[in-house]
Formats: sequence, C-alpha cells, structure tokens
Amino acid sequence: QVQLQESGPGLVKPSETLSLTCAVSGYSISSGYYWGWIRQPPGKGLEWIGSIYHSGSTYYNPSLKSRVTISVDTSKNQFSLKLSSVTAADTAVYYCARGHPFDIWGQGTMVTVSS
Amino acid sequence: IQLTQSPSFLSASVGDRVTITCRASQGISSYLAWYQQKPGKAPKLLIYAASTLQSGVPSRFSGSGSGTEFTLTISSLQPEDFATYYCQQLNSYSLTFGGGTKVEIK
Repeated sequence: QVQLQESGPGLVKPSETLSLTCAVSGYSISSGYYWGWIRQPPGKGLEWIGSIYHSGSTYYNPSLKSRVTISVDTSKNQFSLKLSSVTAADTAVYYCARGHPFDIWGQGTMVTVSS
Repeated sequence: IQLTQSPSFLSASVGDRVTITCRASQGISSYLAWYQQKPGKAPKLLIYAASTLQSGVPSRFSGSGSGTEFTLTISSLQPEDFATYYCQQLNSYSLTFGGGTKVEIK
C-alpha cells in the first residue's frame, strides 16, 4: 500500500532553514497526484503549507509563500520542503500527504525552532 | 477563502446524532472535504466533494451542502468517533482548513 514518511531535523535554530523530506513508497510520484505539506502547531489546528503537482507545478499558502520551496525528486520518489528564516512560530508537527484532498498522510514529524 | 466551523467544541453521548457546520467566506461549489484527527495521529480523510464517503469510512458519517454552507453528520456516535474534525476547501489553489470541532464524551 501507499506510505509516506517524513524525515529531517527535529530542532532548527531561529533564522535558519527548515528542511524536510517525504519518502513515498507503493506509488510512483511521477504517475500523478498533488503532493502536499501541512503543519500543526502544538494544540492548534491544521495549516496547509503548499503542494506540488507530479508535473512539478507548485502552489503555496500566500502567508508563507515568500519563505517556502517545495520540490520533487522523482529518481528517489520523494518530495521536499524548505522553509527559510524560521521563528518559534514555525514550531509544529509537519505532515506530508498525497492528493487534493489529502487521502494518505505521513505520520508527521515534530520540528522545534529554538536556539 | 476562510472556513468557519461551529461549534468549536461539542459534548455528546454514544448513540447521539451529531452535526458539525462549516461555512465558507465565499462560494466553493462542492469543493469541500472533512477529516477526523485523533490525538497524536495524522488526520484521516472522511468525506470529499462535500458528500462522497471515502473508501472504508463507516456509513454513519455523511456530508452535505454546497456553495457556502456544509455539514458533517454522524448518525449515531460511536466511542471511536471522539476526535477533532476539520473541514478543508479545495476550490482554489490556496487551500484552507477550518478551525476544527472537538467532539468529546458527555
């Protein structure tokens, strides 16, 4: 079955760049679907960060657009998130997910922004 | 597009019929999905296109609405349904989630 797995540092310093990768198994990213990133600050709701279509087209949350880059590596069957100039407000569980709507999710990875 | 869910908190008993509302700040046709999230877990897709049940989701869940007003109904609340529910609009390429409705045991 299709599975998604996030990976990356759990601690990032303020002003640095948060980088996460989502490895996809059981399905080839290049075959279709949107692939997205969503985050959830502790005790709060869900926030869509952005998505990439299998063709490479990207769509970002306007409130984060200036700091976000999502890319795909079809050779490794994974897609990635970079969020620059992070602050404590970027502390959250980060999820990757497939599709619009998101029908398959990774388990999530907690990222803390702190010096 | 802003999504407003109500109520934000709901206390109910097993067997109760529960309805959650999601209102969009502008018309989104039927481009609405509902998710269920349990503590420490990723959200789970329940309904898409406002009223289409995702495969494997129990039939006690149903969705309705179009335009700006939508509802998620649980016909008979089960113990495993106590969770937080989110709506999401997909009308534009700027996706948004509602603030969530937490369903707790009375």
